[in-house]
This record gives sequence, C-alpha cells and structure tokens, in this order.
Amino acid sequence: DQQVKQNSPSLSVQEGRISILNCDYTNSMFDYFLWYKKYPAEGPTFLISISSIKDKNEDGRFTVFLNKSAKHLSLHIVPSQPGDSAVYFCAASETDKLIFGTGTRLQVFP
Amino acid sequence: DSGVTQTPKHLITATGQRVTLRCSPRSGDLSVYWYQQSLDQGLQFLIQYYNGEERAKGNILERFSAQQFPDLHSELNLSSLELGDSALYFCASSVRPGQLNEKLFFGSGTQLSVL
Repeated sequence: DQQVKQNSPSLSVQEGRISILNCDYTNSMFDYFLWYKKYPAEGPTFLISISSIKDKNEDGRFTVFLNKSAKHLSLHIVPSQPGDSAVYFCAASETDKLIFGTGTRLQVFP
Repeated sequence: DSGVTQTPKHLITATGQRVTLRCSPRSGDLSVYWYQQSLDQGLQFLIQYYNGEERAKGNILERFSAQQFPDLHSELNLSSLELGDSALYFCASSVRPGQLNEKLFFGSGTQLSVL
C-alpha cells in the first residue's frame, strides 16, 4: 500500500520555465513533508520541507505547497535550470519513519 | 559529500548467498536508517536504529537483519538471497530520531546484484 504517491514518473520542462512536481498521500497523520533530489550514482539530498500546519514554504527558486484537505503537495521550481535535472522524491514523516514516493524524473532542456 | 559512508559500492552475488552491507553515519549522528530502492519502487523504508537500539521497522523481510554497533556504524545483513533482492540499498543518518523535520543525510548506496 503506497502511502505517498508520485503519479508522474517523468517531466520534461524547458529552461527558464516553471517545473511543477506533484505528490499525493493517504495518511492524514503525516506531520511533515519533505522533498529530496537525487542525481545518478549519488544518494538523495534534502531540498525543502513543510510542516503540516503550513500551506507554503519557499526557499529561493523552490516552493512547496501543501493542500491538506486534498492530501496533496507540490514542488514548484522557478525558473528551471538544466542543473535541476534529477529525480525528485516526495517524502512524508510519521513518527520515526520517513515514507518516500516513487520519484519523478525531471529533465530541463535548453 | 553527505558524510555518510557506505561500503561496498557494488556487490554481485548468487542466489542463496548471504551478504553484509556496511554504513558509517555522519560524525555526531546517532540514528541510522536503511532504505531499499528497487526499480520503479521508490525508497522503501527497512529499519531504523538509534544509539544501538532498534527504533522503527518498515517492510523488512525476515531474511534481512540489521544492527548498530557501539561505534554507531551499522550493518545490514541479507541472507538466502533471491533475484528480487537486487536493488540499491541506502543508508541515511540523522542526529536523533523522531525529528524527521530534520533532514536525513544519505550515503551513495550499495548496488546489490543477485544473479
């Protein structure tokens, strides 16, 4: 049973445009949500997070939006850059577990 | 460099065998997590240790076991290996458990291939 779902396995965006990566979850007890970025041959690295008591968190070009009623969060990258090309994992925390989605591969082309 | 060290980077073995994956957490981190990434399966949480004690368990098979030693390094033991165990195994660390608003630091993983 996948509690955190990323339904788009891949996304292709032109450089300078907005990238929007989506994530849905089923467990209303999740209290913190995080995005991780993964380059090939490397481990995931933390990108941005949001508490369940907030609906938006911004860090430079990256903004995460949380819609608790819809159990949905999204990551916006503006403007997208070629270096953003990676796999992005959405994750949700439940006590001592961090549950990850299956990832979305973002490709930013010139 | 995350500061988390995993060895070996690659491991090729046969079905039925047993292997041990090793992880050294970041200096000062007391909590270690193990994840499995199979093709198209995302990162599946296996198990977490804090200061030598098991703290949380995920979808870890009975053929798999782990421990955290007094020097805080951790080992993941996989036995009676099957073809389906082929995956990328990640270790991650954090300062303390239950604070998952804090980010986890991941190693670069061990790629296990069972032939």
